[in-house]
Amino acid sequence: SQKIEQNSEALNIQEGKTATLTCNYTNYSPAYLQWYRQDPGRGPVFLLLIRENEKEKRKERLKVTFDTTLKQSLFHITASQPADSATYLCALVRYSSASKIIFGSGTRLSIRP
Amino acid sequence: DVKVTQSSRYLVKRTGEKVFLECVQDMDHENMFWYRQDPGLGLRLIYFSYDVKMKEKGDIPEGYSVSREKKERFSLILESASTNQTSMYLCASSSATGELFFGEGSRLTVL
Repeated sequence: SQKIEQNSEALNIQEGKTATLTCNYTNYSPAYLQWYRQDPGRGPVFLLLIRENEKEKRKERLKVTFDTTLKQSLFHITASQPADSATYLCALVRYSSASKIIFGSGTRLSIRP
Repeated sequence: DVKVTQSSRYLVKRTGEKVFLECVQDMDHENMFWYRQDPGLGLRLIYFSYDVKMKEKGDIPEGYSVSREKKERFSLILESASTNQTSMYLCASSSATGELFFGEGSRLTVL
């Protein structure tokens, strides 16, 4: 069955550094990958989407890469700030069905001042 | 601003009670979803609806049913709540480009 893993449950980094979060998947190839941010007690908020034929996508301080050979997506936050502290979820979407969106369990990112 | 509204943020129910969780979206999306989220397990799909009166089981539909009588409204029903259904429930709708818009969540505690 399709599996999606986010490399670490928690990541703690110094303000100003680049945070890098990893998402690995197995078995089927996704049509695209999505990244969401979730604050405690709130619903996830969509951040970025990257398609299988795209290698990189940027939005302000965020950058996502997608390597279909390694079956991996990397999510970077440059010049990190304490306000970036949250849980980040990756989600894999297959072509065949909009309902087949599989989420990773998330990485809790903490940015210390 | 796009919006998905869930009727209750916090609920406390007793074992065996019938529970209704309501969700309304104002974006005219065709697809709507109900997920539950538990620590260490991530988001798991309970049910999905791709049109009015149309539904599809997700990964964990047991103990749940859904209703979609109008395009903007998708309800999750727990026929007889059990303690293992204590969880955070999240409703979402999706755009044509596939991104999900989530509600704020409903935290259900079953005693």
